[in-house]
Amino acid sequence: GAVVSQHPSWVICKSGTSVKIECRSLDFQATTMFWYRQFPKQSLMLMATSNEGSKATYEQGVEKDKFLINHASLTLSTLTVTSAHPEDSSFYICSASRTGQSGNTIYFGEGSWLTVV
Amino acid sequence: LAKTTQPISMDSYEGQEVNITCSHNNIATNDYITWYQQFPSQGPRFIIQGYKTKVTNEVASLFIPADRKSSTLSLPRVSLSDTAVYYCLSSGTYKYIFGTGTRLKVLA
Repeated sequence: GAVVSQHPSWVICKSGTSVKIECRSLDFQATTMFWYRQFPKQSLMLMATSNEGSKATYEQGVEKDKFLINHASLTLSTLTVTSAHPEDSSFYICSASRTGQSGNTIYFGEGSWLTVV
Repeated sequence: LAKTTQPISMDSYEGQEVNITCSHNNIATNDYITWYQQFPSQGPRFIIQGYKTKVTNEVASLFIPADRKSSTLSLPRVSLSDTAVYYCLSSGTYKYIFGTGTRLKVLA
């Protein structure tokens, strides 16, 4: 099956610092990846769509200068939370789109817990 | 942009068949319907995907009527470990927006 891996699984950082989360598709190439944010007991909220070789498309209300997304290769997208604040603490999940016989299917990473102190 | 509607929660007992229905009235011609399972502090896990009629795999079945405005995920003989949140996704060309999901609780 399709495997998507995120790293790190959890990270603690100090307010004002930046933290990077990596998302890799391990056994397929993904021209499109997605970044979600999830608060406890809530659904996943799409933050941005990451396109290989081009700028990410951000959802309304998501600050592109704060959540930097880079999709430099067909298997790697990164999310950098810049100048992190405690309110950025959340569960971040990436997904990668794979094109197959049944159309496009997105597969998710394990998620990354970010705690800003 | 396709939007899905599901029941917020469901309870079932071990060994029963569970059917979770999702409405996607605005589904586009090219959209597929995909269901995911999510446990706490984990990313969603792919369960099944279909376009129309019926799809079955080793863990579930997916029923999609001819008008494709809804779909039903069927889980045969659930166990306690199936307690999770289940999401349906009407996936289009490039954007994937999640609905509220259905919180399934399996009771002993």
